[in-house]
Amino acid sequence: DAGVIQSPRHEVTEMGQEVTLRCKPISGHDYLFWYRQTMMRGLELLIYFNNNVPIDDSGMPEDRFSAKMPNASFSTLKIQPSEPRDSAVYFCASTHGTGGLETQYFGPGTRLLVL
Amino acid sequence: SQQGEEDPQALSIQEGENATMNCSYKTSINNLQWYRQNSGRGLVHLILIRSNEREKHSGRLRVTLDTSKKSSSLLITASRAADTASYFCATDEDSSYKLIFGSGTRLLVRP
Repeated sequence: DAGVIQSPRHEVTEMGQEVTLRCKPISGHDYLFWYRQTMMRGLELLIYFNNNVPIDDSGMPEDRFSAKMPNASFSTLKIQPSEPRDSAVYFCASTHGTGGLETQYFGPGTRLLVL
Repeated sequence: SQQGEEDPQALSIQEGENATMNCSYKTSINNLQWYRQNSGRGLVHLILIRSNEREKHSGRLRVTLDTSKKSSSLLITASRAADTASYFCATDEDSSYKLIFGSGTRLLVRP
């Protein structure tokens, strides 16, 4: 298996621009998570999906952030408009739920820099 | 909210020595996991211990869990330079699939 795939790996953009991060979970996994990692705040859960449905988006910082999962093999995290404080590494992770907390498999992350 | 807090924040040891990292959490949990993150990479799962377990082994890793003290420790025996990474504990929240990560311990193993 190729593991969780994220694109792009690096993104540099200017403040005010729209940013779209993409994730392909491991085939067969029915849970997908988006995290953000910064030095100041550590690793934060932004949102997670089960069977393509958003379950908990309480970690999404602002209305500027939105996430979708149109099908079982693809998800996007969009920031519009982007701000310098959004600079971080964004991780996508997936797992197969069996009734409890299970191992999550992380992608390599997208390093976002907003100038 | 940060559920787990690791201690120490940074640890530097010589290759061959043992490394011990501790994690404390605040609420009741069902499971606790440890993950490793190499510089510039994603997190990799190391081991999961359930709340009814006290100790678990996996290769050179030993994890203990004390639910009365709300703490866990990760022991890496006979460390290698390749063990250099950040180590995070993660706990569930409200029996959900939400993983709450601690701030991590940066481990440096000197050759």
